[in-house]
Parts: sequence; C-alpha cells; structure tokens
Amino acid sequence: AQSVTQLGSHVSVSEGALVLLRCNYSSSVPPYLFWYVQYPNQGLQLLLKYTSAATLVKGINGFEAEFKKSETSFHLTKPSAHMSDAAEYFCAVSSDTGRRALTFGSGTRLQVQP
Amino acid sequence: DTAVSQTPKYLVTQMGNDKSIKCEQNLGHDTMYWYKQDSKKFLKIMFSYNNKELIINETVPNRFSPKSPDKAHLNLHINSLELGDSAVYFCASSQDRGARASETQYFGPGTRLLVL
Repeated sequence: AQSVTQLGSHVSVSEGALVLLRCNYSSSVPPYLFWYVQYPNQGLQLLLKYTSAATLVKGINGFEAEFKKSETSFHLTKPSAHMSDAAEYFCAVSSDTGRRALTFGSGTRLQVQP
Repeated sequence: DTAVSQTPKYLVTQMGNDKSIKCEQNLGHDTMYWYKQDSKKFLKIMFSYNNKELIINETVPNRFSPKSPDKAHLNLHINSLELGDSAVYFCASSQDRGARASETQYFGPGTRLLVL
C-alpha cells in the first residue's frame, strides 16, 4: 500500500520569500513521486516528477523538489514566491505494481501575501 | 487544442437522476482515468482503462459505470444520483510505455457535479 502525507493544509508566505511545501510518502516498493498544482476552478498541472533518475528534480515555474529516501520525503521548494504561485499543491505517489493510478496527499493551499 | 477535455463543465441535477460525463483525449494515450475530488479537495482514483480494458475499479458504488467506446474516450455514467455524489470529477490520461507508473498523467479541467 502507498500513502502520501502533506504537512500543513495551508501555507502563507510573503512575495519574494522561500516556499517550502512538505511531502512524506510511504511505499513498500520504489516510488515515483509527483507534484501537481491546481489553480482555482481548473484541472491539475504537473509541476515536476521523480522517476528514480536524479534525486533533485527541477520543474516548471522555478519549482524544484529533492527525493530523500532516508527521510521518505519529497519536499517542494521555490526560492522566491510570486503572487501567481497562489494555488493548491498536491503531492502524489505511484509505483510499478500494476495499478498505475496516483495516490494523492490531501493538498496544501499556498497563499502569497504582497 | 485541449489535450484532455470534459463535458459538461458544470452539472446541476436532482437526486435520483441519471447523468453522464464525457471525456476525450487527443494525446494518443492508451490509459485513461477517472478521479473524484471531494469538498475537502481530496483526490481519489475511481477507475482506470487501458486500451478500452478496465484495469482499476476502486471501491465505488455500482451506480457508477465507466464506458470506453475507444481508447480516446472514457465516459462516466452515474445512476440514481445521491447528495454525496456532489464533487468534482477529473478525467486524466497517460501514455502506456511498458506499463510504467512513472508516466505523467494529464488532467482535464474537471466537471463540477452538484446534486440537489
């Protein structure tokens, strides 16, 4: 069984500040990890994914995440927040067990204050 | 061009009615999915089809029936709608390169279902 825990349902940062969204996973087999962003009333868009290549993954819009097996974490960061980053962020896990469906965390709403 | 499209975008209906949501992808993908997002934004897989064959059927009431007429379409039919069915339903698709779970899933814009 797989699961994802996102610590902090709401995160608020000032414009220009560091963004850190936390994700911890549980998986009995090597995981694939994803971060998706959802803007209000829209679908989900992939920010980045880890597929067992480099542990530091760079994504769109200046986001990156680091896979740390020892900590079972895949935290999302951005050095400088922009107002347009305000959205809901979802961490998800999958693995080659045949299901191929994503198991999502509960999401973190990012607010960016001017 | 929209990669994954869903119709309708909004659906308001009465309890007990039957409704369908349509999904189409023009990405040439082999696998399609239905996810449900509840009022607390939690997303959960409902169904998955690969080349018109059902491969995932989660614990979903049998009032929900997916239908895949071809690999570019995956429709969701819901019978006898209940208040608890109110949610946002997302369709997604992914390429099937050797059945790897690392493939990116591309999501549609969602269908917001409200059952009164």
